[in-house]
Parts: sequence; C-alpha cells; structure tokens
Amino acid sequence: DAKTTQPPSMDCAEGRAANLPCNHSTISGNEYVYWYRQIHSQGPQYIIHGLKNNETNEMASLIITEDRKSSTLILPHATLRDTAVYYCIVRAYNFNKFYFGSGTKLNVKP
Amino acid sequence: DTGVSQDPRHKITKRGQNVTFRCDPISEHNRLYWYRQTLGQGPEFLTYFQNEAQLEKSRLLSDRFSAERPKGSFSTLEIQRTEQGDSAMYLCAGGQGTQPQHFGDGTRLSIL
Repeated sequence: DAKTTQPPSMDCAEGRAANLPCNHSTISGNEYVYWYRQIHSQGPQYIIHGLKNNETNEMASLIITEDRKSSTLILPHATLRDTAVYYCIVRAYNFNKFYFGSGTKLNVKP
Repeated sequence: DTGVSQDPRHKITKRGQNVTFRCDPISEHNRLYWYRQTLGQGPEFLTYFQNEAQLEKSRLLSDRFSAERPKGSFSTLEIQRTEQGDSAMYLCAGGQGTQPQHFGDGTRLSIL
C-alpha cells in the first residue's frame, strides 16, 4: 500500500471550514483514499473514501487531485466535537488491512 | 455506533499473566481485524479473519499472541505471559465485502 504524508497538527476556528491535506504521491491506480478520525479514547471512525472522483457525505467532502497524488478532507463547518486525530489511508480494495500513519491532530478552537 | 463491541474496555494485569479480549462484530461482518495502538501512534495491524479463517498475521503477532474466530462470529485475542511492552489499546474492526472497516472502542491493556 502507498504511504501517506500528513501534517502533524492543524488549528481551525469553530464554524470555519477545516481543510486537511494528505499527500500520497506513490498511489496506485487501484488504491482508494480513506479517511478516518479518532477522538480520544475511542476507536477510529470512518469518515469517507474515494477513488478519483470527489465525494461528499453528511460528514465531509473529499477532494482528490486529478493526478491522484494528493487529497484534501474538508469539514465544512468545524465544531469543537471535530477535535480529533485524522488519518488518511490508501488501500487497494483487494487488500484488507489498513496502514495508519501518525495522522493530523486537528484542534478546533472557539 | 458501529455495532462492534469489545470487552472488557479496560484490563489491568500483572506481568506474566494471561489475558483474553473479546470482539463482537455485527452479523454482517464477514471480515474481522485486530489492531494494536500505542500512545501517540496510529493503529498497527495484527491479524485478519475472513469468516472463521485466519488469513493473515502480522509479524507483530508473536507466538505469545493467538486469535480465534470460531463459527465466524465473535473473536478472541489472547496474550500469554504478558510483558510490559504489551501495554496498548487493542482494537477490533469488522467489515463486509468491500465496505470500509468499522472499529470498536478497543480494550486498553495495562501491565503492572
């Protein structure tokens, strides 16, 4: 599976959009981009995933660049409850395990 | 709520003791995974089941570790002769087909 690079931490003001970048320059054509987040003392929570098209659900939007070498997770209106570690993972559908990096610690501030 | 439950949530034991954790995914989860997470790090893969068959084991899973999934439903992870380095959060995740994995809230193991 391709490796990902994320900034270790980011700050965001409450009510503003949080844009979390992820670099995955070695991604293969059959690898999807997944985003999970982990709030302290809880298990990772699935947010969204995509292959090459932009995706949106009730939690977030995922923007994948045309060359698929990077992506951005967008939380449109961050709240204090969005403070968490966000993990970007790339994985082929026919592989099973996830490789988690260290993620990005998002601090949403009032 | 992901529907994946883990028991116990916390376990404190003395070094050298054996411990067993349980994971109950939802019935649709034909795939089941165990991960380990130490402080400040992301989860690390330990092992994977497709129904009752254990298909992959990480080299992190030493011979003191054993996992089972009888009848393809719940799973257990046992650690024998626990060591200080086994202190971690043990996470279980369930999945169905090509759908994303859904995690439980883990069992936190502390070795005295």
